[in-house]
Amino acid sequence: EAQLVESGGGLVHPDGSLTLSCVASGFNFETYGMHWVRQAPGKGLEHLSGISSPGTSASYADSVKGRFTISRDNSKKMVYLHMASLRTDDTGVYFCAAKYFRAFDYWGQGTLVTVSS
Amino acid sequence: DIQLTQSPSFLSASVGDRVTITCRASQGVNKFFAWYQHKPGKAPKVLIYDASTLQSGVPSRFSGSGSGADYTLTITSLQPEDFATYYCQQLNTYPFTFGGGTKVEVK
Repeated sequence: EAQLVESGGGLVHPDGSLTLSCVASGFNFETYGMHWVRQAPGKGLEHLSGISSPGTSASYADSVKGRFTISRDNSKKMVYLHMASLRTDDTGVYFCAAKYFRAFDYWGQGTLVTVSS
Repeated sequence: DIQLTQSPSFLSASVGDRVTITCRASQGVNKFFAWYQHKPGKAPKVLIYDASTLQSGVPSRFSGSGSGADYTLTITSLQPEDFATYYCQQLNTYPFTFGGGTKVEVK
């Protein structure tokens, strides 16, 4: 069974940094593009970033460009999101998701990030 | 970014009802369009991709249609396990934006 498990969330001060991790199992990780999606409290889903299956190209939403960096390690079946210059409006549940073809096929259950002083 | 306007935001329905949710994109998205179901504390689940293709394992009471900028998700006979929030998503242009969500509640 395909599974994604996020970790690394927690409480961080404004302007601080945090790195989220996501480990995959049960599917051919190295053939999937990987993505991070955020859900702010009481809000909908926001696509933040994605990285190609070999890890050679990455894209970002304007809201996180220049502050967040996505990376992956196919040998460990891991994808990461390094977040810097965090703001209070970065608070939310962060999901990793795997895309093979035309949809986000697999999702994790999310990890909560709270940015507060 | 492509904006997705999803309606309604909330929907009260009973078991057995037919439910329709619509999503309008700010520009055409070439049927690169998906629908997801999300329950609190759970991983979102893809229901439909390519606007109308049912994901493997998803019950046939779910269906999708549409083209260009307008898309629809239909649940023909709502079941107890279908009470959840539904999101549309376009995968034509980065970032792959989502609609605002439709919460389907018990009437």
